[in-house]
Amino acid sequence: DAMVIQNPRYQVTQFGKPVTLSCSQTLNHNVMYWYQQKSSQAPKLLFHYYDKDFNNEADTPDNFQSRRPNTSFCFLDIRSPGLGDAAMYLCATSRSPGKGTTEAFFGQGTRLTVV
Amino acid sequence: AQRVTQPEKLLSVFKGAPVELKCNYSYSGSPELFWYVQYSRQRLQLLLRHISRESIKGFTADLNKGETSFHLKKPFAQEEDSAMYYCALSGGSQGNLIFGKGTKLSVKP
Repeated sequence: DAMVIQNPRYQVTQFGKPVTLSCSQTLNHNVMYWYQQKSSQAPKLLFHYYDKDFNNEADTPDNFQSRRPNTSFCFLDIRSPGLGDAAMYLCATSRSPGKGTTEAFFGQGTRLTVV
Repeated sequence: AQRVTQPEKLLSVFKGAPVELKCNYSYSGSPELFWYVQYSRQRLQLLLRHISRESIKGFTADLNKGETSFHLKKPFAQEEDSAMYYCALSGGSQGNLIFGKGTKLSVKP
């Protein structure tokens, strides 16, 4: 039933060791988002894909990269995780404007711990 | 620039009391506005969208373009309403979704 699936739910990585988080969707939505949510804070948009077009937020560090090999999958790569990157990472999908409501559907999130 | 402002970080009310969670936005065009809710240990989920003009779980929200507001209201709060509430805006040709900082609603018995 889950429409936006994130793996793994929990990820522990070492300081500086590259890590990849994955997201898949069964909704065939053309927009996919990655958000970072730190404890007691709002989700912060890192970047989003509009179809294959990658849109980086201005304040997203270069340490964060993303790949979207097809409509269903999207990956978040953190090249050299620092202690400050420990957070919940949320993936979401939506339709683009003009294709129906842009309501976003969220995954359960991946909680990243950096040790 | 698009921006969503939720002035209250925490709102605490007693069961049965009315609730209003404030949201103001800044956007030059015609955005879509949403309220998302995050219950403890659950995923973020949509509560309301302005275009539907619906009432969900007793909550309503009216878009006031003159005041650029989209406040969330409920006449009688219930304990199970306790959660984080985020106002969000979707705009632009690519519809990127931006959140406010959130308001934690605590409903006491």
